[in-house]
Amino acid sequence: DQQVKQNSPSLSVQEGRISILNCDYTNSMFDYFLWYKKYPAEGPTFLISISSIKDKNEDGRFTVFLNKSAKHLSLHIVPSQPGDSAVYFCAASTSGTYKYIFGTGTRLKVLA
Amino acid sequence: DADVTQTPRNRITKTGKRIMLECSQTKGHDRMYWYRQDPGLGLRLIYYSFDVKDINKGEISDGYSVSRQAQAKFSLSLESAIPNQTALYFCATSEDTGYGYTFGSGTRLTVV
Repeated sequence: DQQVKQNSPSLSVQEGRISILNCDYTNSMFDYFLWYKKYPAEGPTFLISISSIKDKNEDGRFTVFLNKSAKHLSLHIVPSQPGDSAVYFCAASTSGTYKYIFGTGTRLKVLA
Repeated sequence: DADVTQTPRNRITKTGKRIMLECSQTKGHDRMYWYRQDPGLGLRLIYYSFDVKDINKGEISDGYSVSRQAQAKFSLSLESAIPNQTALYFCATSEDTGYGYTFGSGTRLTVV
């Protein structure tokens, strides 16, 4: 059973607009969440994180929102740039386990 | 030099053959992980190790084994490769859960 789900396999957005990537989870014990970005032929790279004690974390153009009651998090990229075109994975962890469960990924394409 | 180095980058092997994928890291971290990526399934955890003497099975360990030769080295073996082990394999290392993982560039394995 998939504990972390990204229901949109792909997303296309115009350059300069907002990209919103969504992630749902089922395990209420998850208390730390990450987003990774992956380019072809490279390993995933860390993008932004959020702890369950917060509902928002911002880093430049990237903001992650967490809705614990809905077991939902989202990544907002504003403004979107062509270089943001990549596969984005969300990941979740429970404190003390030191391992992450990943979602299936969303391929973002930013159109120039 | 990369923080996490995986060898080989690409490998084609025949069904029934034994193959080893190697991973080394220069981050000085204790925790190391092996994941595989399949289309539509995201990243799934195969094995993880929290120090040289600590090895743990992940979600999908059947058909795989690992060896933690040193703090910096963590290898993954397929004792008798089968076609459904064709995937992209990633090694990762972690300092602690708050910082997420640093991934290698991956090994693309094809079993024919």
